[in-house]
Formats: sequence, structure tokens, C-alpha cells
Amino acid sequence: QSVLTQPPSVSGAPGQRVTISCTGSSSNIGAGYDVHWYQQLPGTAPKLLLYADSNRPSGVPDRFSGSKSGTSASLAISGLQAEDEADYYCQSSDKSLSHSYVFGTGTKVTVL
Amino acid sequence: QVQLQESGPGLVKPSETLSLTCTVSGDSVGSHRYYWSWIRQPPGKGLEFIGYIYYSGSATFNPSLKSRVAMSVDTSNNQFSLNLNSVTAADTAVYYCARVSSGLDVWGVGTAVTVSS
Repeated sequence: QSVLTQPPSVSGAPGQRVTISCTGSSSNIGAGYDVHWYQQLPGTAPKLLLYADSNRPSGVPDRFSGSKSGTSASLAISGLQAEDEADYYCQSSDKSLSHSYVFGTGTKVTVL
Repeated sequence: QVQLQESGPGLVKPSETLSLTCTVSGDSVGSHRYYWSWIRQPPGKGLEFIGYIYYSGSATFNPSLKSRVAMSVDTSNNQFSLNLNSVTAADTAVYYCARVSSGLDVWGVGTAVTVSS
């Protein structure tokens, strides 16, 4: 039932920059709702990585950045490190679903 | 340091009710600042929002689950709970509780629930 679409996988060599897109619609991202990003390391619970489009919680490296435009959002990881290998999910709200939260389909980041 | 911990049976029979509790430490479920949420993740799949609840009992649910979901807050024990009725194998998942701030900023470790006879 995911209404936010992400690429299934992205990969990059250590030190490179990768980006993950999160494509929604006029009823979620395009309606102005905040986009949040989560990192899920293997076998662990998700962790809030970015909130309100581009803000980093305390302790999150500035290698992680976010942006939003129109009906899409993006997460960028610069200076890719082995420890960044994880699943990443975007999340927003959707007015056509009674303002329920919606998650993206998830993206697996592989460090080559 | 805020911590959340899920608890409940790991095995539920089809057609029965799945009941989970999230115990909060380091914060109060009666706080006016936060909502409290449940999310699940089927094996090998992505995250699915179940719902969130405020201390007052006001709640928002995923429309696809709304007819089967109930949530409650117990301020005396600093817990909040999830009930999901008429479960099927499709409800097999890891269930997470989380605090709602700007984003879901604190998560429990998750509890695995299998629906099987």
C-alpha cells in the first residue's frame, strides 16, 4: 500500500555520493507535509535520520542531507562509508488517507 | 534517555486478537508534546504504519487496518497498547512502537509476532 516510491537499491564505492529519491503525489509530499527519513541497519529497528525534510537529529553525521521539491524528496549520502550499508525509508502523511502516515517502499544502499 | 519496549505473545492463532503493549521509560505517555505510534514490518518487507494515539485517546489509524485496530493509553503504568483483531497470516510481522515528534524519533527494538495455528 506504499504511496511513496523509492528505488529498490542504490550502490556506490566508499567516499562517493549517492542519492535516494522518494516520489509521492499532490496528496502527500506535494501537499506540503514534512518528509522524514529512517535508516534501518540489518536486524535492528529503524532510526530517525532526517526530520522535517532536511534536519538532522543530534548525532547524525552531516554527510546525510535531505531536500524536497514538488511531489518528491531526496536523501543524499556524501562520503559513503561501509557503515552506511542499510535500508532507508522515507515517510510522510497523506490527506487522502485521513492524514495517516505513509512510508516509502524502501531502498537498500550497498557500499561496493 | 527515552526507551520504549514492546511486549506480548509471539504466536497468535488465525482469527484471534493480537495484543501488544509498549512500556515507556524516560518520558510520560501523558505528555502533551507527543503522540505514540505502532508500525509493523512483515518478514523481508518494508515498513507499514498502523496508527498513533494521543494521551487523550484521540487516534489516527491506517485506513487499510482501521476496521480491525484499537489503541489505548494507560498513563498509570506509562504504557500504550495495540489490539488487532481477526488476524491472518498476513499480519505476521515485527511490530514496533515509537514516539511521534517531528518524525518517529524514538523506537522500540520490536517484537516478532507470528500468526499460525
